[in-house]
Amino acid sequence: AQKVTQAQTEISVVEKEDVTLDCVYETRDTTYYLFWYKQPPSGELVFLIRRNSFDEQNEISGRYSWNFQKSTSSFNFTITASQVVDSAVYFCALSEVKAAGNKLTFGGGTRVLVKP
Amino acid sequence: KAGVTQTPRYLIKTRGQQVTLSCSPISGHRSVSWYQQTPGQGLQFLFEYFSETQRNKGNFPGRFSGRQFSNSRSEMNVSTLELGDSALYLCASSLAGTLANYGYTFGSGTRLTVV
Repeated sequence: AQKVTQAQTEISVVEKEDVTLDCVYETRDTTYYLFWYKQPPSGELVFLIRRNSFDEQNEISGRYSWNFQKSTSSFNFTITASQVVDSAVYFCALSEVKAAGNKLTFGGGTRVLVKP
Repeated sequence: KAGVTQTPRYLIKTRGQQVTLSCSPISGHRSVSWYQQTPGQGLQFLFEYFSETQRNKGNFPGRFSGRQFSNSRSEMNVSTLELGDSALYLCASSLAGTLANYGYTFGSGTRLTVV
């Protein structure tokens, strides 16, 4: 069975500080996808990144960066120089690839509060 | 390009009633998934529809059902509502075919309150 663990339930930082969100996953599949989503107060899940299990390259997108380490089953997310607009709940998710259909297994989420 | 549209945004129902929620996926997307989000259980997968067929199902009672139409629009139905069904119901649209995963775009959700 798949499982995603986000050990940090809430992180509070002051604007311009860096913040790293941890994500650890479990799966028996060799082919899978990992995702990060942002959920602002409006409720919609906003897609941030998708990474397949064969691509361990780290990725940077503006102030966002992701560190995928298959050896430790982790897919951590860092926000550099945080801003108030980064305040939201962030979810890490895992998806298998199966002919019978796909589904996302979500972690419990990490609430990030950026104070001015 | 229009996003995923869910209607209604908010709904208040009485225990024992039934409810139908609607989701219109992104044009060209044939896969629609539904998720329930509650403070206690987090985000949980309900079911996925692809080309009008339910392809995958989560661990929810039979009171939760869904369908997909030929234009890929999907509805989910909850019968005999219970207080615990109060949640944010999110729909996700995907290009996903078989043995592929192109990611998911979510709608803004329907917030259901059961009183």
